[in-house]
Amino acid sequence: AQRVTQPEKLLSVFKGAPVELKCNYSYSGSPELFWYVQYSRQRLQLLLRHISRESIKGFTADLNKGETSFHLKKPFAQEEDSAMYYCALRPTSGSRLTFGEGTQLTVNP
Amino acid sequence: NAGVMQNPRHLVRRRGQEARLRCSPMKGHSHVYWYRQLPEEGLKFMVYLQKENIIDESGMPKERFSAEFPKEGPSILRIQQVVRGDSAAYFCASSRAGGDNEQFFGPGTRLTVL
Repeated sequence: AQRVTQPEKLLSVFKGAPVELKCNYSYSGSPELFWYVQYSRQRLQLLLRHISRESIKGFTADLNKGETSFHLKKPFAQEEDSAMYYCALRPTSGSRLTFGEGTQLTVNP
Repeated sequence: NAGVMQNPRHLVRRRGQEARLRCSPMKGHSHVYWYRQLPEEGLKFMVYLQKENIIDESGMPKERFSAEFPKEGPSILRIQQVVRGDSAAYFCASSRAGGDNEQFFGPGTRLTVL
């Protein structure tokens, strides 16, 4: 069975501070990992996926298979980053996504 | 392209009634996924459909829930004899194909059972 854990329900930082949203997963095979974001009153949208290895809006995430983690990082948080962030996993042989419970990020001025 | 459309956005039902949630995928998308989000929880997969086929329904409750995606028209998630525990946000996503194609999400339908 696959499982995604986001240990922090709430995370609050000041503008300009570094931010790290934690994500750990359990899966017996080689999964694909994603970060989705939901801004206030908007729909859920893909932020980044580990296979693309790109930085989106200053965010990066590295898949660490040894620690089974996929933490999301940004060196300098902005107020517009305030949103709900979900980590998700998809088996390489399937289509269904397994989501974590989400972390509400608040960036204070 | 208007994106994935869901209606209604809000639905109130009394216990024992039926709820029908509709999802129109993005243009050119033939794969639809339904997820449910209970209060204070993450999204949980329910069912994956292609046109006229159910591909994976391993997340669907065994009773009262059904889903379809006909050749013409939207995908429908149907909940019969709703109970208070069915109160949740139901999200639909669509993709161009299965596998590693990106899933695009709709705005969700919030079901409240009185």
